[in-house]
Amino acid sequence: QKEVEQNSGPLSVPEGAIASLNCTYSDRGSQSFFWYRQYSGKSPELIMFIYSNGDKEDGRFTAQLNKASQYVSLLIRDSQPSDSATYLCAGISSGSARQLTFGSGTQLTVLP
Amino acid sequence: EAQVTQNPRYLITVTGKKLTVTCSQNMNHEYMSWYRQDPGLGLRQIYYSMNVEVTDKGDVPEGYKVSRKEKRNFPLILESPSPNQTSLYFCASSPVDSRDEKLFFGSGTQLSVL
Repeated sequence: QKEVEQNSGPLSVPEGAIASLNCTYSDRGSQSFFWYRQYSGKSPELIMFIYSNGDKEDGRFTAQLNKASQYVSLLIRDSQPSDSATYLCAGISSGSARQLTFGSGTQLTVLP
Repeated sequence: EAQVTQNPRYLITVTGKKLTVTCSQNMNHEYMSWYRQDPGLGLRQIYYSMNVEVTDKGDVPEGYKVSRKEKRNFPLILESPSPNQTSLYFCASSPVDSRDEKLFFGSGTQLSVL
C-alpha cells in the first residue's frame, strides 16, 4: 500500500506566525507532490505543486521536497485567519497513470 | 465558465436501490476521476479515466462502477448501495498534458445510504 501520511493536527497558530505542515510518503518512486487547501464544506483547491528537490515559493507559501527523506512540507508565512482550512498533501505514485494518493489532511486554525 | 458539475449535491437513499451520480466537465479534459472523502481518511480514489473508453480502478473501487462513453461525462454508479458507502464524493478532471497536474474538483455529492 503506497501511503501518504500527514500529522493530523489540529494545528493552531496565531495570526502573523509561520504555519508548518508536514507530510511523508512511502513510495520512493513518487515524482510529484501537491498541496490542496479545503475549506469546510467546499471542494479542494490546488495551492502548490513540487517535483524537484528543494524549495518552491509562491507568495506566502513555500513547498519543500526532500526525496532522500521522503518528506514534503508546506510553510505558510504571515498566516491569516483566511488560511484556516484543511490542507491535503498528495503524491503521484510511481508506475501509475496519474493515480493521486492523498494524505488524511491537517486542519489548520489561525487565531486572530 | 470552466467547471466540473456534479449532481445531485445531496442524496439520501436506502440500501440496495441503484443510483447514479453524474459528473460533467466543460474543459475538454482527458483525465477524470472519482474520490470519496471520509473523516480522518482524506480523499481516496475510487476510479479514474485517462480518456474515452479507458477506465481504471483506484484504491477503493469495490461496490462502484463507472463509464466513460463521452469525454465530458464520467458518471459514478452504485448498483446496490450499502451504508458503508455513505460519504462525500468528489469528481475531478484535468488535462493529461498538464505538468502541474492541477485537478479541477466538482462541488461534491453528500450521499447517505440508510
